Amino acid sequence: GEDVEQSLFLSVREGDSSVINCTYTDSSSTYLYWYKQEPGAGLQLLTYIFSNMDMKQDQRLTVLLNKKDKHLSLRIADTQTGDSAIYFCAVFSNQFYFGTGTSLTVIP
Amino acid sequence: DTGVSQDPRHKITKRGQNVTFRCDPISEHNRLYWYRQTLGQGPEFLTYFQNEAQLEKSRLLSDRFSAERPKGSFSTLEIQRTEQGDSAMYLCASSTRDRGGTQYFGPGTRLLVL
Repeated sequence: GEDVEQSLFLSVREGDSSVINCTYTDSSSTYLYWYKQEPGAGLQLLTYIFSNMDMKQDQRLTVLLNKKDKHLSLRIADTQTGDSAIYFCAVFSNQFYFGTGTSLTVIP
Repeated sequence: DTGVSQDPRHKITKRGQNVTFRCDPISEHNRLYWYRQTLGQGPEFLTYFQNEAQLEKSRLLSDRFSAERPKGSFSTLEIQRTEQGDSAMYLCASSTRDRGGTQYFGPGTRLLVL
């Protein structure tokens, strides 16, 4: 199966940019996703990128994909306190595999 | 359509009891997935359906677990003879027929086995 890894914690000041990183092992992964999970809630789809793309921007969110290094990142510009949550990277290669999540804390 | 819904949202049961959870997907989505999420972990795939057919089951899905989607709409996940290790959040997601199609998740059912 696929191994999807994320760092566990990230802390940033309100107004700064956040960068959440993810690495995966299966180079045949075709779709890559970022989800947000708030306490006690299900997963909310934030954005996704196809494997034939390098970058995708969606308002405050920028996704960068480095296929050679099998590295995916999510940049959140102008981070707000409401962005505090756990962020999951997910990749699809025959089935969906999720990372362990990165807990983002935004300091006012 | 308000998205994927799950019922109940919380369930507390005693070890050895059977529990059943329900998931109602987004109406035009023909793929439905079940995941289990434990504290501090990402969701782990359990099984998925395309319409009423159960196409794949994870090794995590022991014989105490069974899932159905009889009419290709809602799905149920039953756990028989629950164990404390079954305590987790059970998430349901649905997607369109496209392989790898974006999954939309429900709020989850949190199970606590005492």
